[in-house]
Amino acid sequence: NAGVTQTPKFRVLKTGQSMTLLCAQDMNHEYMYWYRQDPGMGLRLIHYSVGEGTTAKGEVPDGYNVSRLKKQNFLLGLESAAPSQTSVYFCASKPIPSGSYNEQFFGPGTRLTVL
Amino acid sequence: ELKVEQNPLFLSMQEGKNYTIYCNYSTTSDRLYWYRQDPGKSLESLFVLLSNGAVKQEGRLMASLDTKARLSTLHITAAVHDLSATYFCAPLIQGAQKLVFGQGTRLTINP
Repeated sequence: NAGVTQTPKFRVLKTGQSMTLLCAQDMNHEYMYWYRQDPGMGLRLIHYSVGEGTTAKGEVPDGYNVSRLKKQNFLLGLESAAPSQTSVYFCASKPIPSGSYNEQFFGPGTRLTVL
Repeated sequence: ELKVEQNPLFLSMQEGKNYTIYCNYSTTSDRLYWYRQDPGKSLESLFVLLSNGAVKQEGRLMASLDTKARLSTLHITAAVHDLSATYFCAPLIQGAQKLVFGQGTRLTINP
């Protein structure tokens, strides 16, 4: 199993450009999440999904859109990138809680710089 | 809104010493996660604490949860250099299955 993978690993954008980050998981998890991590801060939730075809806003959703057309994929889009979106983006997935099993798994991260 | 505070935010200690990282959170949550992050890397799951009074140990790390006090602790025993990393706690918002992360504690262990 590859677990949670993210594409790309690094990207540099100019202000106003758009891009899509792809998260894929092969563990058949229902829940998927997008976080951003800025220096000296913990992870902040951007958007999340509780199942295929569903999305919901997290703590810092402005400037981002998401889609979950397939259960295994969760896409994060930036329509018009701004320097404030320079960050490291992490995707995570989690199964439906079952007894004591409730672990959330993280992808390797995408480092995005907006100039 | 669930708020999470970790302290200390920075901790420099000597090998062989013991120390505790504290994680306080503001509203009810009966599950809490601890993660480790090495520089430039992703988050690695350390512990999932599922109920009040839960205690889990792995090597030199031991985590506990007191849901009534809204407090979790991560205790380091006889620290070694390999434990140098940033540690995050994250209580779970039950209904939404969302985690809220603390700011992280950057731990440096010196020989």
